[in-house]
Amino acid sequence: QKEVEQNSGPLSVPEGAIASLNCTYSDRGSQSFFWYRQYSGKSPELIMSIYSNGDKEDGRFTAQLNKASQYVSLLIRDSQPSDSATYLCAVNEPGYSTLTFGKGTMLLVSP
Amino acid sequence: DGGITQSPKYLFRKEGQNVTLSCEQNLNHDAMYWYRQDPGQGLRLIYYSQIVNDFQKGDIAEGYSVSREKKESFPLTVTSAQKNPTAFYLCASSPPVKLNTEAFFGQGTRLTVV
Repeated sequence: QKEVEQNSGPLSVPEGAIASLNCTYSDRGSQSFFWYRQYSGKSPELIMSIYSNGDKEDGRFTAQLNKASQYVSLLIRDSQPSDSATYLCAVNEPGYSTLTFGKGTMLLVSP
Repeated sequence: DGGITQSPKYLFRKEGQNVTLSCEQNLNHDAMYWYRQDPGQGLRLIYYSQIVNDFQKGDIAEGYSVSREKKESFPLTVTSAQKNPTAFYLCASSPPVKLNTEAFFGQGTRLTVV
């Protein structure tokens, strides 16, 4: 059974700090990795995708992938109260278009 | 505007009723999906379809049915066989199967049994 694990949190950080969100996955054949942000009562919004080992930066967001350790992370620099949401890690099922989601980590950024 | 439209936003179902949730997309995506989300839980796959007139069961298909008669549409029926249907239902779509398969979501339908 493919699994994607995330710490449920909440992760509390002060405004302006770096928030670090982590995710591990069980299927070594996974090739595509995504981070979604979900505000309470809303649908998930894609914020980052990463496909190869290393770092990928987009504005205040950096995704990091280590396939050998089966680990993917999301760093949010200069955290803002508007970043307070649940962050879902998703991993593709090799050979298929379906994604397996973790349960999400709740991030709380305090002013 | 390109996107995925789910309707209704809120739906109430009586015990023993079947209800159908609508999902329409104009992104010209081949693949469409239905997920269920319960409070504090991640998304669980109900059904998915990669091409018209074909669909596959996901992890929690029991008590649900789908059809894919048109590329743009992928309705989900919650049948009376689904014993605990109260949840947030999310429809998504993605381009053809390839390495970089990003999925994009509609705004969701919140179903409540009354």
